[in-house]
Amino acid sequence: SQQGEEDPQALSIQEGENATMNCSYKTSINNLQWYRQNSGRGLVHLILIRSNEREKHSGRLRVTLDTSKKSSSLLITASRAADTASYFCATDAWAGTALIFGKGTTLSVSS
Amino acid sequence: DAMVIQNPRYQVTQFGKPVTLSCSQTLNHNVMYWYQQKSSQAPKLLFHYYDKDFNNEADTPDNFQSRRPNTSFCFLDIRSPGLGDAAMYLCATSPVGAPTDTQYFGPGTRLTVL
Repeated sequence: SQQGEEDPQALSIQEGENATMNCSYKTSINNLQWYRQNSGRGLVHLILIRSNEREKHSGRLRVTLDTSKKSSSLLITASRAADTASYFCATDAWAGTALIFGKGTTLSVSS
Repeated sequence: DAMVIQNPRYQVTQFGKPVTLSCSQTLNHNVMYWYQQKSSQAPKLLFHYYDKDFNNEADTPDNFQSRRPNTSFCFLDIRSPGLGDAAMYLCATSPVGAPTDTQYFGPGTRLTVL
């Protein structure tokens, strides 16, 4: 069964605007990761937040984690056309090494 | 640059004709993963190797097999591809395989089954 669910499924914005996407999950986690996938390419790791952290920043990215609500959000500030991609959250399964990916949010940034 | 390489990037095969996808890494990571990603879906883990220890996901079809002859290389064999096996196949690595590990992905191989 799928662990993470991203919302919205698709998001279209203009360059310079902020983009927020959300991830909800079902069971307890040790950490949550966000990955980006450009069309037809592999995934690129963006950021990892541990279950005892509430917020983490990396450049224009800000990730929050609310374990009480079992949800996370990814904020991309001052979006650029190059940010156009699909964004996936991934949580660690209880068994250990497997990452369970959500279906992703497709972000389109137009100039 | 250290990286994960997948060959070929595009593979076309016929229904029922065996096909092998390859993955190599220069990161010297212990763990290698194979994911299947169908259009507009989440990547789904098929199996992974921790060094030479093979770990199969419970719902991975028997049609899918894997080999890891050494640390650097890992192969995905599809013995009798069906139309439903058309997908992007992603190889990934991680240093130790802990839940907190970042995974490093290759560019993927897109498989078409005719």
